[in-house]
Amino acid sequence: RKEVEQDPGPFNVPEGATVAFNCTYSNSASQSFFWYRQDCRKEPKLLMSVYSSGNEDGRFTAQLNRASQYISLLIRDSKLSDSATYLCVVSLLKAAGNKLTFGGGTRVLVKP
Amino acid sequence: NAGVTQTPKFRVLKTGQSMTLLCAQDMNHEYMYWYRQDPGMGLRLIHYSVGEGTTAKGEVPDGYNVSRLKKQNFLLGLESAAPSQTSVYFCASSLSPLGNQPQHFGDGTRLSIL
Repeated sequence: RKEVEQDPGPFNVPEGATVAFNCTYSNSASQSFFWYRQDCRKEPKLLMSVYSSGNEDGRFTAQLNRASQYISLLIRDSKLSDSATYLCVVSLLKAAGNKLTFGGGTRVLVKP
Repeated sequence: NAGVTQTPKFRVLKTGQSMTLLCAQDMNHEYMYWYRQDPGMGLRLIHYSVGEGTTAKGEVPDGYNVSRLKKQNFLLGLESAAPSQTSVYFCASSLSPLGNQPQHFGDGTRLSIL
């Protein structure tokens, strides 16, 4: 089983609609969680951290479910510019520092 | 404000050739990382460095070597390139190893081994 798993998609989303997708992680000791965004042939960029109580950043809402070991990302009022691959990142603190494990990404395509 | 800069951006090698990828950051970050990204695999950590003069192996270190002679630079070397090393390579840096510190990525190097 992969340490961090994501549905690769693509999720085809009409402009203005809401889309949500999850990411599951296998290590219950994981401590920090992030969503990164990666545009085609570009570098990953931090979208938002995921806090235990859930958090919003504009149209984006991230949630963490420790009991079921998954995090989620919801995008409201989707824009064409939201088309990208969303990478789930899980951090585990080890003796040499935190170990970040990346999921394979979920591709989102927003269409007019 | 350059951030993390990778050179070269593209390279084609023949099997058995060697080359070095350069990563430079101007944010005074202690921690630097080299990843490779392959379709459907996510980013996998090759090697990382927690400070000048210190390096450590990541998840997939075989076939690669690294050096961190200066704090701002992290070099990734391929001693004898193999087709399996065809990939997109990303360098990243972070202020600290703490889980709540994001990593800043370079633009990537697209490497093809024939």
